[in-house]
Amino acid sequence: GESVGLHLPTLSVQEGDNSIINCAYSNSASDYFIWYKQESGKGPQFIIDIRSNMDKRQGQRVTVLLNKTVKHLSLQIAATQPGDSAVYFCAENLVGGNKLTFGTGTQLKVEL
Amino acid sequence: DVKVTQSSRYLVKRTGEKVFLECVQDMDHENMFWYRQDPGLGLRLIYFSYDVKMKEKGDIPEGYSVSREKKERFSLILESASTNQTSMYLCASSTARTATNEKLFFGSGTQLSVL
Repeated sequence: GESVGLHLPTLSVQEGDNSIINCAYSNSASDYFIWYKQESGKGPQFIIDIRSNMDKRQGQRVTVLLNKTVKHLSLQIAATQPGDSAVYFCAENLVGGNKLTFGTGTQLKVEL
Repeated sequence: DVKVTQSSRYLVKRTGEKVFLECVQDMDHENMFWYRQDPGLGLRLIYFSYDVKMKEKGDIPEGYSVSREKKERFSLILESASTNQTSMYLCASSTARTATNEKLFFGSGTQLSVL
């Protein structure tokens, strides 16, 4: 999962396997969450979002799960491909807030 | 597609120099943001703006200022660059006023090195 520090957590998976990237968010008053993907040399790109009135949302090959009880967010990537190699960030927004707070990121490495 | 363009991919400046980082978005977004990204620290918000000539401090505004004279352009200014401002700077924009739809579109970043 994501954490504050100098070293980026790394998840290594085999091509074709499913990946699960975890994020512990900080504020129980957060009502909106987003996952971003950042490839080397590029800015972060939106993957999927979820509001706090939902516990699951699916996109193309990606699923976001939200567990408000333990303040935990996860991103599941099905059939991981080499192109999924990137740093993944979760972000949260407080109710009535006007900005996102980002996690520190998880490096996903896909092994052939 | 939304395009957020940052004027420089790499910049090298000397301590004490005044530095301008420029960002332009082409989708008529109201909101624009400047973040810095450092290894292991994620993205930290420096300043943001919801309208022309409007600005609000983010989490780490010290040592920075911003300018938004036109809707499409948001500039980050380092009045007197210091080595601890060596970082990747990311500009972003979004359409929504309320953050429940705060999907940000990012530029590719400017890697600034202050020597």
